[in-house]
Amino acid sequence: EAGVAQSPRYKIIEKRQSVAFWCNPISGHATLYWYQQILGQGPKLLIQFQNNGVVDDSQLPKDRFSAERLKGVDSTLKIQPAKLEDSAVYLCASSLQGVYEQYFGPGTRLTVT
Amino acid sequence: AQSVTQPDIHITVSEGASLELRCNYSYGATPYLFWYVQSPGQGLQLLLKYFSGDTLVQGIKGFEAEFKRSQSSFNLRKPSVHWSDAAEYFCAVGGDGNQFYFGTGTSLTVIP
Repeated sequence: EAGVAQSPRYKIIEKRQSVAFWCNPISGHATLYWYQQILGQGPKLLIQFQNNGVVDDSQLPKDRFSAERLKGVDSTLKIQPAKLEDSAVYLCASSLQGVYEQYFGPGTRLTVT
Repeated sequence: AQSVTQPDIHITVSEGASLELRCNYSYGATPYLFWYVQSPGQGLQLLLKYFSGDTLVQGIKGFEAEFKRSQSSFNLRKPSVHWSDAAEYFCAVGGDGNQFYFGTGTSLTVIP
């Protein structure tokens, strides 16, 4: 079974630029999550989708972050404009509906200079 | 408020020695508890989970964890550590709605 795929793996941008991350969940997983993991910290949930609807985006900085999940499969997370404090690893995870284990992708390491 | 505390930021053990990583949680309802491991440059891999039933759960790679409701703890153990166990370990608590709350992690160093 293929795992959660993410791209790119690494990205370096200057502040005020925009960036987008892509995630492809495990086939059949209805729930998709985006996390931000700052160095030395645990992952923090940014947004949770159930199929293509948003379940929880309470910790998403909506003035600069946006996310979508078209057709309930792939998802993109965008930052525009980026700030220095956005430097982090962005993790995507997925789970079966009604099941609580989350499966994580390898993450995208973002460096904002 | 829901939260997870991992008191030990960093632990160093000798290869072959036993290991215990501590995790305390605060959760208003019946918790679902998890331990994940993260190797450098990798995503998080599920080691084990507790939903209900037997409070001692077995996971992959020889790890086990014990749920103690009275102490709000879910400590991870391994009887004999291998050099390949060096990684970052995260405890997480979840519940209805699937939202997870992660601890800040414990970094494990294994010395030969």
